[in-house]
Amino acid sequence: AQKVTQAQTEISVVEKEDVTLDCVYETRDTTYYLFWYKQPPSGELVFLIRRNSFDEQNEISGRYSWNFQKSTSSFNFTITASQVVDSAVYFCALSEAGYSTLTFGKGTMLLVSP
Amino acid sequence: DVKVTQSSRYLVKRTGEKVFLECVQDMDHENMFWYRQDPGLGLRLIYFSYDVKMKEKGDIPEGYSVSREKKERFSLILESASTNQTSMYLCASRPFGTYGTTSTDTQYFGPGTRLTVL
Repeated sequence: AQKVTQAQTEISVVEKEDVTLDCVYETRDTTYYLFWYKQPPSGELVFLIRRNSFDEQNEISGRYSWNFQKSTSSFNFTITASQVVDSAVYFCALSEAGYSTLTFGKGTMLLVSP
Repeated sequence: DVKVTQSSRYLVKRTGEKVFLECVQDMDHENMFWYRQDPGLGLRLIYFSYDVKMKEKGDIPEGYSVSREKKERFSLILESASTNQTSMYLCASRPFGTYGTTSTDTQYFGPGTRLTVL
């Protein structure tokens, strides 16, 4: 069975600090897909990134970067120079090959203070 | 842009009422999903549908049913609402099939309906 663990329930940082959100997954499949979503206070989940299991290249998008390591079954998300607008709940999710559904972690609430 | 809309942002109902939550998507997606979100529990899948009139149970289907009579619309039904169904309900959609290599192939979410059952 697939499982996603986000051990950090809540993180508080001060603006301009770097912050890393952890995601550890479990799956028996060799082909799978990992996702990060952001849920701002408005409530709608916003898609951030998707990573395929066969592509371990890390990705950077502006202040956001993602570190995918199959050896440790982790897909961590780093925000560099955090801003107040980054305050949100962040979800990591997993889908195994052959499935259309997602298994979500419980989310990490990030609070960035000015 | 994919647009997923939900009929209400906030809803208050009484115990025992029949409740309909509506979700509409405008991208001709085959797959549609209903989740509930509770503090400390994340998102949990209630039901999903991969085609008109087709439905599959998710992880927590008890107390819920669904209807998909048209491709763009997926309804979640609480036959007899109870206080433990007070929650945020999120609808999502995505194209047919399993995930391929397209990096933007994902589920697209609506704004959510916060349901309170008194």
